[in-house]
Amino acid sequence: SAVISQKPSRDICQRGTSLTIQCQVDSQVTMMFWYRQQPGQSLTLIATANQGSEATYESGFVIDKFPISRPNLTFSTLTVSNMSPEDSSIYLCSVVRDTMNTEAFFGQGTRLTVV
Amino acid sequence: TQLLEQSPQFLSIQEGENLTVYCNSSSVFSSLQWYRQEPGEGPVLLVTVVTGGEVKKLKRLTFQFGDARKDSSLHITAAQPGDTGLYLCAGAPIYNQGGKLIFGQGTELSVKP
Repeated sequence: SAVISQKPSRDICQRGTSLTIQCQVDSQVTMMFWYRQQPGQSLTLIATANQGSEATYESGFVIDKFPISRPNLTFSTLTVSNMSPEDSSIYLCSVVRDTMNTEAFFGQGTRLTVV
Repeated sequence: TQLLEQSPQFLSIQEGENLTVYCNSSSVFSSLQWYRQEPGEGPVLLVTVVTGGEVKKLKRLTFQFGDARKDSSLHITAAQPGDTGLYLCAGAPIYNQGGKLIFGQGTELSVKP
């Protein structure tokens, strides 16, 4: 398993501002992902955080809105830029040890409310 | 695009009842996983099924992978209030795009004492 620390756990932000969420893993992992989840609903993949290169974004998500950094194999950040109330959601960091396994481990999530 | 249809979306039952959650797709998955999520926490892996027809048991939970690896079910026997939570199925696409998972819509289970 992997222990993932995600922070902040929650925040209330003003519209038009940006929030950076951090994800720290207790060991080196190959794959890191960022998901968005509406409360009580399923997970939507935002992007794959690639170490040393630009993140790979899913359809509907763009780098200008959700810039991602991954400077090494244990750390990543997701920024939610120029926030609007529609960005209110839970944001989750996830890791997978290797592509053959695909068993995912998740941080506890960041509950974001934009007012 | 591979999709996973999960049903039911909401389930409210009494303690001691049995229940089954279904996950269906028209596409084949190399593996399928079930997660449970409690409020304020991230999803936690319950089980992974890999082989078509595979059945795995975890105490009162029974997981089955369809023969064609397109569907899966989660059966809970004698549900308890501690089983309350959001249950998510997730499939690894057959083309295995770098560890990505496709999630079902989730089943919000409430077990009343």
